[in-house]
Amino acid sequence: DQQVKQNSPSLSVQEGRISILNCDYTNSMFDYFLWYKKYPAEGPTFLISISSIKDKNEDGRFTVFLNKSAKHLSLHIVPSQPGDSAVYFCAASWRGGNQFYFGTGTSLTVIP
Amino acid sequence: DTEVTQTPKHLVMGMTNKKSLKCEQHMGHRAMYWYKQKAKKPPELMFVYSYEKLSINESVPSRFSPECPNSSLLNLHLHALQPEDSALYLCASSQEGYNEQFFGPGTRLTVL
Repeated sequence: DQQVKQNSPSLSVQEGRISILNCDYTNSMFDYFLWYKKYPAEGPTFLISISSIKDKNEDGRFTVFLNKSAKHLSLHIVPSQPGDSAVYFCAASWRGGNQFYFGTGTSLTVIP
Repeated sequence: DTEVTQTPKHLVMGMTNKKSLKCEQHMGHRAMYWYKQKAKKPPELMFVYSYEKLSINESVPSRFSPECPNSSLLNLHLHALQPEDSALYLCASSQEGYNEQFFGPGTRLTVL
């Protein structure tokens, strides 16, 4: 049972525009969320996190929004750059948990 | 040192071979993980070590055998693998099970 879902397998965005990647979860115990970026044949790289006490966290061009009532989070990248082209995974866990549950990933292509 | 290192980078083995994958981190993290990742899929958790003790084994076949010799090292011993075991094997570590995980670059395994 996939507890964390990313319903868009792929997304294409023009350079300079906003990229919005979405993630939904089903387990209401989840209270800590991560976004990872992955290039082919490399390990995932941690991007940004958010805990359930916040509804927004910002780091440079990356902002993550959390809507707990909808069990939904999104990653905004502004402005998008060609180097952002990668697969993005969201992951979720809960305090006291010892693993993260990963979404299925969204492949982002930023067109120059 | 904020890196997780993995060796070898690539490994080709026959179904009767015995080989080992190695992972090392010097961040003082107390949780270490093995994941398996197939193309276009999310990382699939295999094992979790917490304070050098195996805390999660996600029903992985016995042809995969993990070992945690000390808090910085994690091995994955491979024996009698099948071609369908060909994948990218990722090691990760985190401060505790609840914190963001840092991934190594992975070992690309091909079983002939």
